[in-house]
Amino acid sequence: GNSVTQMEGPVTLSEEAFLTINCTYTATGYPSLFWYVQYPGEGLQLLLKATKADDKGSNKGFEATYRKETTSFHLEKGSVQVSDSAVYFCALIQAGGTSYGKLTFGQGTILTVHP
Amino acid sequence: DAGVTQSPTHLIKTRGQHVTLRCSPISGHKSVSWYQQVLGQGPQFIFQYYEKEERGRGNFPDRFSARQFPNYSSELNVNALLLGDSALYLCASSPITGGIGYTFGSGTRLTVV
Repeated sequence: GNSVTQMEGPVTLSEEAFLTINCTYTATGYPSLFWYVQYPGEGLQLLLKATKADDKGSNKGFEATYRKETTSFHLEKGSVQVSDSAVYFCALIQAGGTSYGKLTFGQGTILTVHP
Repeated sequence: DAGVTQSPTHLIKTRGQHVTLRCSPISGHKSVSWYQQVLGQGPQFIFQYYEKEERGRGNFPDRFSARQFPNYSSELNVNALLLGDSALYLCASSPITGGIGYTFGSGTRLTVV
């Protein structure tokens, strides 16, 4: 079945530091890939997405590139802010088959940014 | 426009009881999905409904059931609650089934004591 693996967390950074959160996936075919963010006490917000190989998703300074050869979708940001502190989830959705329409999530990575 | 709304936001139930959680999708969205998020883990897929029909079911026991109404709102029902059912239950809506434009609600925090 499909699966998503995120880097072990939590991640603690100082403001303006560079962020990388690793994500690798296992899926059949060509899934669409996503990063969601969850702030304390809230639901999930879509941060960015990529629907085919070599696509780069970007939003609010965050970027991730769909790498089919390494089955990866690592999240990066050049300069984090305190307001970026949240839990980040990598996820995929398969285009067809029995998993059609179902989001598969990683376990989440807690990011804490200190001033 | 209103986003995905879920009710209640929090509730506490006793083991063995039954609970009903409600979700109203974004206007025009015909697909509703339910996810369970246990503390410290990623959300797990429970159900997807589209046009009032079940289109997908995750690996959850038969104590979990759901339905979608003609106005596309949805209910998630859980019978014979266990302590392990304590979680954040998230609803997501999408214009179509199988699409990639899912919008999540803020969730219902269920605590079973």
